[in-house]
Amino acid sequence: AQSVSQHNHHVILSEAASLELGCNYSYGGTVNLFWYVQYPGQHLQLLLKYFSGDPLVKGIKGFEAEFIKSKFSFNLRKPSVQWSDTAEYFCAVNPYNNNDMRFGAGTRLTVKP
Amino acid sequence: KAGVTQTPRYLIKTRGQQVTLSCSPISGHRSVSWYQQTPGQGLQFLFEYFSETQRNKGNFPGRFSGRQFSNSRSEMNVSTLELGDSALYLCASRMGPTNEKLFFGSGTQLSVL
Repeated sequence: AQSVSQHNHHVILSEAASLELGCNYSYGGTVNLFWYVQYPGQHLQLLLKYFSGDPLVKGIKGFEAEFIKSKFSFNLRKPSVQWSDTAEYFCAVNPYNNNDMRFGAGTRLTVKP
Repeated sequence: KAGVTQTPRYLIKTRGQQVTLSCSPISGHRSVSWYQQTPGQGLQFLFEYFSETQRNKGNFPGRFSGRQFSNSRSEMNVSTLELGDSALYLCASRMGPTNEKLFFGSGTQLSVL
């Protein structure tokens, strides 16, 4: 089965700083890629997804992610974070035509006002 | 449209007992996945059901089992509970057999004493 690695366990930034969260996966075939976010006390919700086409995908709240196939990576970025971005972020990988979605361990983001 | 509903919200059990958790997916969704969430481990995939059939299974012992009913509702059972089973158990649903985004419930927080 596929596996997902998120290298940063806890990231602390000041408001307006730029963000990049790393995500690497291991799977030899075609995959669909997702970033989910869990705000304090809320459900996990989808931030953005990549299925095919332009490897740079844009999501909600100014987030974007770039799929680099050769590096098996799908890093999440945001040019300028806000205090309200404080949350836990999960990268997920789902092989094409399969409902087996696997998640990384998550990265906790704390944005200081 | 109602979201994914999980019951109970909180559960306290003792070692050796067994527990059954329930999940009602979004109306029309036929795929239900279960995850175990613990701090530092992220979301660990338990299993996925589609049309009453278990199609994918994670690396959990046989004490963890599940089933799906004809109305797509799903139950997860853990027998002979261990302290390490304390976690938030999340259910997620999606509409069809291919990998669309998951909609998550609030989870059942299980504490094993």
